[in-house]
Amino acid sequence: GEDVEQSLFLSVREGDSSVINCTYTDSSSTYLYWYKQEPGAGLQLLTYIFSNMDMKQDQRLTVLLNKKDKHLSLRIADTQTGDSAIYFCARGGSQGNLIFGKGTKLSVKP
Amino acid sequence: DSGVTQTPKHLITATGQRVTLRCSPRSGDLSVYWYQQSLDQGLQFLIQYYNGEERAKGNILERFSAQQFPDLHSELNLSSLELGDSALYFCASSVVGDHRTDTQYFGPGTRLTVL
Repeated sequence: GEDVEQSLFLSVREGDSSVINCTYTDSSSTYLYWYKQEPGAGLQLLTYIFSNMDMKQDQRLTVLLNKKDKHLSLRIADTQTGDSAIYFCARGGSQGNLIFGKGTKLSVKP
Repeated sequence: DSGVTQTPKHLITATGQRVTLRCSPRSGDLSVYWYQQSLDQGLQFLIQYYNGEERAKGNILERFSAQQFPDLHSELNLSSLELGDSALYFCASSVVGDHRTDTQYFGPGTRLTVL
């Protein structure tokens, strides 16, 4: 299987919470990251979590890390249409690079 | 705006040609990374430079090369282009190039179309 896996699509209604999940196989990374890519745009660093943390909250974003299960999630509270984008989970690779999942396309319906 | 700039934004060329993509890192960042984003392969790491020296190589083809100049900008050269090289090419920069201590900020990308 892939090193970093994400479901490909998620659809939510405006105002609901969105939860995007990610699993990874290699737990040696110091940080785990969430990036956002809007249509036709580059990758925007949304947030990251240190591997010895369980949770990190940043305004509407909550990151949960279950290191035992190698599971990372991103929760977006009060999801807005402007949150529609592709969300990438990434971990640090041994060469200093980032290893990305395939991305989850979030669609927010009004 | 991440502070990383890439030019050109779009590039259309023909098979067999050679192109150069340019990247300027954020002010103060010493390390530059190149990634390729394609529909079938997703985001793949190509190569990393730190302060002018190659530091790490990923899935970079022999037809591709890169360099980082003394002013820290970087160029990615793609030659003998094939249809399959059509992709979005991202540059990212970080302070010291170690994922254990710093994070990578991405530029807007260069969309390459090979016809």
